Amino acid sequence: AQSVTQLGSHVSVSEGALVLLRCNYSSSVPPYLFWYVQYPNQGLQLLLKYTSAATLVKGINGFEAEFKKSETSFHLTKPSAHMSDAAEYFCAVTWNSGYSTLTFGKGTMLLVSP
Amino acid sequence: DSGVTQTPKHLITATGQRVTLRCSPRSGDLSVYWYQQSLDQGLQFLIQYYNGEERAKGNILERFSAQQFPDLHSELNLSSLELGDSALYFCASSVDGRSNSPLHFGNGTRLTVT
Repeated sequence: AQSVTQLGSHVSVSEGALVLLRCNYSSSVPPYLFWYVQYPNQGLQLLLKYTSAATLVKGINGFEAEFKKSETSFHLTKPSAHMSDAAEYFCAVTWNSGYSTLTFGKGTMLLVSP
Repeated sequence: DSGVTQTPKHLITATGQRVTLRCSPRSGDLSVYWYQQSLDQGLQFLIQYYNGEERAKGNILERFSAQQFPDLHSELNLSSLELGDSALYFCASSVDGRSNSPLHFGNGTRLTVT
C-alpha cells in the first residue's frame, strides 16, 4: 500500500534561512508526488507536483522539490524563508494516473521567526 | 481563490442531529472530493464523485452520505452526529478525477458538535 511520511510535525526557521521539509514515500510502483500548502483558515493549495518528467520540480513562491528514487524521498526546499511562508505543508502520493486516491501525510507546520 | 465554494463556513449543532454541507466545484471541474481534517486524524479522504457518479470511497462512516448533482455541485450529509465528528470538512475538485490531476480545495466547513 502506498504511504507518505513527513518527518517533523513542526519546523522552525529564521527569516532568510533555508527551508527543508522532509517527505518519504512508500510505493510499489513509480509514484506521483505532490506538495500542498495550507494557510490559516484556508483550504490546501498546490505548490508543486512530480510526474516523472524531471526529478527537480519547481513550484510557486520559490519552492522546489527533488525526487530521489534511491532514497524514496521528495523533500521540499526554499533557499530563503519569508514570514509569509508560515503555514502547514502536506506531502501527498498516488501511484498511477488512473483513479486511485491521493494519500496525504500528516503535515508539517512551518514557523518563521524574524 | 481556488474557485471552489463551500457553505456554510461554520456549523454548530448538537449530538444526534443531521447537517448538510454544500460544495460548488471550480468551473469546468467534473470531479468532487470530500475530506475530513482533524487534529488527531489529519486529512482523511471520505469520498469522490465524477460527473454525478461515485468514483472512490475512503474512510467514510455509514452515518455519512454524499451525492453529486447534475449541475455538478455536491452535498455531504452527516447524520446522528457525535462529538467526534467535530472537524473541518473540505471539498476539492479536479478537472477529470484522475489521481495525478491537481486538486483545488475550498476553504472548508468547520463543524462543531456539542
